[in-house]
Amino acid sequence: GAGVSQSPSNKVTEKGKDVELRCDPISGHTALYWYRQSLGQGLEFLIYFQGNSAPDKSGLPSDRFSAERTGGSVSTLTIQRTQQEDSAVYLCASSPHPNTGELFFGEGSRLTVL
Amino acid sequence: QQQVKQSPQSLIVQKGGISIINCAYENTAFDYFPWYQQFPGKGPALLIAIRPDVSEKKEGRFTISFNKSAKQFSLHIMDSQPGDSATYFCAASYDKVIFGPGTSLSVIP
Repeated sequence: GAGVSQSPSNKVTEKGKDVELRCDPISGHTALYWYRQSLGQGLEFLIYFQGNSAPDKSGLPSDRFSAERTGGSVSTLTIQRTQQEDSAVYLCASSPHPNTGELFFGEGSRLTVL
Repeated sequence: QQQVKQSPQSLIVQKGGISIINCAYENTAFDYFPWYQQFPGKGPALLIAIRPDVSEKKEGRFTISFNKSAKQFSLHIMDSQPGDSATYFCAASYDKVIFGPGTSLSVIP
């Protein structure tokens, strides 16, 4: 597809389980971002990638959160030992130009932790 | 220093009126100021953006005003329409992109 693709679109899991969220950016986009959006709230920055490296991981809420990007393309956000407060929509965005705010967002992965 | 402030939190405007959303930042390293529009269930979409060497940018009914000395910028939506009802986010970036908390706009007929 032409846009940013995220999967799964919805994920329901039990507290304590691990989850993986996938992002497929627009082809050729070098920068990739992860944000978290809680119900009715703003966008909380988690991490961004330039190519395969992550210059800034400062937004990851705890060491239960990790992300990687391979081949300068697909990225995976992993949340270990999920907690109820992790419930949110996780948004991925990609950008054709480094160091700009021109982001193209996917529709998000809605995570519900029971 | 990384924070972007945004007001109001919510806004109700009559059809045909002007919607105004204000934002402020602290970090002078920011060099790109985009606005995003988000409809329910969708990801945000870039609406319009400005760089700090320009004081105003207009695209159709949407205008950004930028005051570098005050470190403030605003979005004006002229002739607001019910289809403009959405959440609007201002943002600021130099490497990563920091978003304001959002404004929920409702345009009533």
